[in-house]
Amino acid sequence: DAGVTQSPTHLIKTRGQQVTLRCSPKSGHDTVSWYQQALGQGPQFIFQYYEEEERQRGNFPDRFSGHQFPNYSSELNVNALLLGDSALYLCASSSPPGGTPSYEQYFGPGTRLTVT
Amino acid sequence: AQSVTQPDIHITVSEGASLELRCNYSYGATPYLFWYVQSPGQGLQLLLKYFSGDTLVQGIKGFEAEFKRSQSSFNLRKPSVHWSDAAEYFCAVAPNTGFQKLVFGTGTRLLVSP
Repeated sequence: DAGVTQSPTHLIKTRGQQVTLRCSPKSGHDTVSWYQQALGQGPQFIFQYYEEEERQRGNFPDRFSGHQFPNYSSELNVNALLLGDSALYLCASSSPPGGTPSYEQYFGPGTRLTVT
Repeated sequence: AQSVTQPDIHITVSEGASLELRCNYSYGATPYLFWYVQSPGQGLQLLLKYFSGDTLVQGIKGFEAEFKRSQSSFNLRKPSVHWSDAAEYFCAVAPNTGFQKLVFGTGTRLLVSP
């Protein structure tokens, strides 16, 4: 059973560019959350997708946007990249068994984004 | 707003010695509580969780944690540390309101000396 997968593993971009990160959830999971982990910090919640809609959003600017596809995979897009966007971006998936939200989030290995 | 405090940035423990990592949270009600571990260059792995009931919870890899409501704490313990336990440990909380947003502490880096 494949866990949460993310691509690419590493990415280098220039200030002002745009980037798209991808995530495939664990089999059977339909909810995807994205987190940003700056160096030496804990992960910070960006947003969560369920049924192809953004269900909750953290304190991140509109430059951060996302999408969820019918197969539950997800993309994180960041526009107008800033140096401060350099971080490890983590995707987590979870599933509401029987309609009750599951709080067990399974994390992928992350995408390391470097903005120069 | 919810917050999580992990007061120890680094901890060094001798192999075979016991371990306790501290976690305090700030939240209006009792949240759901978690401990995750992150090895270098890796994602996060769930060690254990507390939702309700018995305040001493057992997790994977021989870890346990105790929820103390009066102290708003959820400390992680292990009786005997192995060299492979060296990693970054994160405490996290989630509101018990139906959404799954996790709020993390800043982490504690565990170093294990021979």
